[in-house]
Amino acid sequence: DQQVKQNSPSLSVQEGRISILNCDYTNSMFDYFLWYKKYPAEGPTFLISISSIKDKNEDGRFTVFLNKSAKHLSLHIVPSQPGDSAVYFCAASATGNQFYFGTGTSLTVIP
Amino acid sequence: DAGITQSPRHKVTETGTPVTLRCHQTENHRYMYWYRQDPGHGLRLIHYSYGVKDTDKGEVSDGYSVSRSKTEDFLLTLESATSSQTSVYFCAISVRRRPNSPLHFGNGTRLTVT
Repeated sequence: DQQVKQNSPSLSVQEGRISILNCDYTNSMFDYFLWYKKYPAEGPTFLISISSIKDKNEDGRFTVFLNKSAKHLSLHIVPSQPGDSAVYFCAASATGNQFYFGTGTSLTVIP
Repeated sequence: DAGITQSPRHKVTETGTPVTLRCHQTENHRYMYWYRQDPGHGLRLIHYSYGVKDTDKGEVSDGYSVSRSKTEDFLLTLESATSSQTSVYFCAISVRRRPNSPLHFGNGTRLTVT
C-alpha cells in the first residue's frame, strides 16, 4: 500500500506563475519530508526538505509547506521557469533509514 | 555530484540469467541504497546497507540479493532475472552528518529482461 501519494500525474504552468505540487502521506510516524526533481536519463536530485517540527521551509524559489494534521505537504515554485520542467517526487521517512517515495508529478512550464 | 557511479548504465538480458549491478561511491559514506523506478510506482526501496556486510531488506526485496564487502561498493544481484524486473535501478547514498539527511542518487541503470 502506497504510504506516500502524489495524486496529480502531471501539471502545466505558464512561465512566471506559481507551480504547486501536492503530496499526501498516511503514516503518522513520518517526521522528515523531501522533494526531489528528476530529468530524463538522470537520477533524482534533492531539492528541499522539511522536518516535522516545522511547517515551512524556504530555499530561493522553492518553498515546502507541511500540514501535519492533514498529512499533506506541498512544494511551491515561484516564479516557475522552463528549466523547472521535470518530474517531481516527494518522499518521507520515519527513521532516517528508509525513505518512501510518491509516484511523481510531471511539471511542464510553458514559455 | 555525490561521487556515485552506477555500472552498467544499460543492460539487456534474457529471462533466467543472473545479473549484477554495481554502485560505486568515492566518499566512504556508510549508508547505501538500491531503488527501482517503475511507472505508476515511483521509487521503491529494494535493499539498503548501513555498513560493510550490514544489509537489510526494503519493500520490494524478493528476487534480489545484495552484497557490501567494501565501503565503496554496493552490488545488487538478480539471481534469475524475470521480465517483472525490467526497470530503472538507482543507487543512493546518505551522507548522515545529522539525523535527517537526504539521499543522493546515481544516474541509474536501465535493465531490460527479455
